[in-house]
Amino acid sequence: GAVVSQHPSWVICKSGTSVKIECRSLDFQATTMFWYRQFPKQSLMLMATSNEGSKATYEQGVEKDKFLINHASLTLSTLTVTSAHPEDSSFYICSASPLPRGRGAGANVLTFGAGSRLTVL
Amino acid sequence: GQNIDQPTEMTATEGAIVQINCTYQTSGFNGLFWYQQHAGEAPTFLSYNVLDGLEEKGRFSSFLSRSKGYSYLLLKELQMKDSASYLCAVRRMLFQKLVFGTGTRLLVSP
Repeated sequence: GAVVSQHPSWVICKSGTSVKIECRSLDFQATTMFWYRQFPKQSLMLMATSNEGSKATYEQGVEKDKFLINHASLTLSTLTVTSAHPEDSSFYICSASPLPRGRGAGANVLTFGAGSRLTVL
Repeated sequence: GQNIDQPTEMTATEGAIVQINCTYQTSGFNGLFWYQQHAGEAPTFLSYNVLDGLEEKGRFSSFLSRSKGYSYLLLKELQMKDSASYLCAVRRMLFQKLVFGTGTRLLVSP
């Protein structure tokens, strides 16, 4: 089945620094990847849609200059949290699905990475 | 916009059956998904409905009524390992993105 790899799993950084999180589709190509954020005991909030070869599409209320997304290839998207602050501490999860194969491709299920827990001191 | 609502918490006993409801309001509906998430882990796919009716997969079943904007996930023969959060998610046709509901934390007790 489809596998999405996400690194790092854990990261602790000082306030004001930048942190990069990588999301890779290991056995399939993905023109689109999605980045979510999850606070404790809350559901997943979609942050942005990462599009290969073009600019990401951000959800309302998400600062594009703070959360930089780069989708340089069909298997890699990166999320950079710039000038991180303690309120950015969260669980960041990426997801992707294989390219649909023809009509009636069905569920086209999103597979999630294992997540990256960011703690900003 | 879209609203996707689920009960916050539910409790049930091992061996029992539990139904987790999800109501949604959205335009351009293109499928409803159920995911399971254990604490600190990524969500894992459980079930998918795009047409009205019941989809059964082992101990898990999911139902959809598009006219009512309603779905439920049915878990049978509950096991302790089923204690987790269950997330209902709606996909919109135009953008293919998945938007999640509030999530339901299920606690299964002996």
